[in-house]
Amino acid sequence: AQSVAQPEDQVNVAEGNPLTVKCTYSVSGNPYLFWYVQYPNRGLQFLLKYITGDNLVKGSYGFEAEFNKSQTSFHLKKPSALVSDSALYFCAVRDHADAGKSTFGDGTTLTVKP
Amino acid sequence: KAGVTQTPRYLIKTRGQQVTLSCSPISGHRSVSWYQQTPGQGLQFLFEYFSETQRNKGNFPGRFSGRQFSNSRSEMNVSTLELGDSALYLCASSLEGENEKLFFGSGTQLSVL
Repeated sequence: AQSVAQPEDQVNVAEGNPLTVKCTYSVSGNPYLFWYVQYPNRGLQFLLKYITGDNLVKGSYGFEAEFNKSQTSFHLKKPSALVSDSALYFCAVRDHADAGKSTFGDGTTLTVKP
Repeated sequence: KAGVTQTPRYLIKTRGQQVTLSCSPISGHRSVSWYQQTPGQGLQFLFEYFSETQRNKGNFPGRFSGRQFSNSRSEMNVSTLELGDSALYLCASSLEGENEKLFFGSGTQLSVL
């Protein structure tokens, strides 16, 4: 069975500071890991994914994420936050054992203050 | 290319009624999945269809059902509505493969009174 945990409901950072949104996962096989962002009254938008290879993945809008197999983590990061990054962020996992299903974390609300 | 289209955008129903939601995927995408989003429960997987076949199903009662047509368009039906069914229902489409990302529609906001 798949599961994803986002331990922080809310993350607050000042504009220009680095940000981290945490995610840990559990799957029975090799994981495919994703980050999505949701703006108010909208569906989710894809940010980045880890499939295999380099543990540091770069995505849209300057975001990156680091895959750590031993810690089963996939934390989202950005070196310098913008006010426009304020949104709801979801981590998700897929694997071959559960075809067609993506399991999402509960989401983390990121607020970037000017 | 047009994105994922969900209709209607908003729905208001009363308890005991039934409702049908529609989703048109991105052209060429044969996988369509449905999610229920509520403030307290986050995003919960309902089911996924691929080439008109349900491949996977979440832990929802039988009142929730779906289908997919030969053109990959999908519908979701909820019968005997309950107050707790009030939620944002999101549809997502993707190419085949577990390493493929999901493309989401804007959702249907269902309110059950």
